[in-house]
Amino acid sequence: DGGITQSPKYLFRKEGQNVTLSCEQNLNHDAMYWYRQDPGQGLRLIYYSQIVNDFQKGDIAEGYSVSREKKESFPLTVTSAQKNPTAFYLCASSIPSLLEETQYFGPGTRLLVL
Amino acid sequence: AQSVSQHNHHVILSEAASLELGCNYSYGGTVNLFWYVQYPGQHLQLLLKYFSGDPLVKGIKGFEAEFIKSKFSFNLRKPSVQWSDTAEYFCAVNARNFGNEKLTFGTGTRLTIIP
Repeated sequence: DGGITQSPKYLFRKEGQNVTLSCEQNLNHDAMYWYRQDPGQGLRLIYYSQIVNDFQKGDIAEGYSVSREKKESFPLTVTSAQKNPTAFYLCASSIPSLLEETQYFGPGTRLLVL
Repeated sequence: AQSVSQHNHHVILSEAASLELGCNYSYGGTVNLFWYVQYPGQHLQLLLKYFSGDPLVKGIKGFEAEFIKSKFSFNLRKPSVQWSDTAEYFCAVNARNFGNEKLTFGTGTRLTIIP
């Protein structure tokens, strides 16, 4: 089955702790994205990567970091600098296109602060 | 910068009622438009999309949307809703020629269908 997997489904973070959210895709997509979803605020872009070993900050990158060492994987680290990390995190992927690009989403990870 | 407005935050309908969810965007250039749906406990799924051509777009599960350029709108419609349509619906837009890093989402509309 082709698709995007995210793990874990739920993640708990203690104060001062860094946590890493996993995102893997087997769709052979070059582009991958991380969004944060808060109630009543829609989706906001954290980071994106259009090719291996390259990534760019989105609208709310502060307190987050990413890596893109493999085409299939785009892990997101929520650092201790992110003061309000409780949210639903969504990973997406796509075939990059300036004209007709469509993103496909994973099932998400819900991060809660203890 | 582009923005997307979904004015209906929560819509409650009875089964078999007709549905129209509003989506307006602000951007003066050519756009790509999307509707995504998030069923309870499930991931965000693409419902339909508009890139060019016929402004009336048909999607999955009987949904359709009409792009009205003069009104900067891309409203989602379904003639007769079912209980299984209970979900949150998101409209999204990106400026053509800029790629999806500029994909902007609305705040979502929660749809509740009463049996």
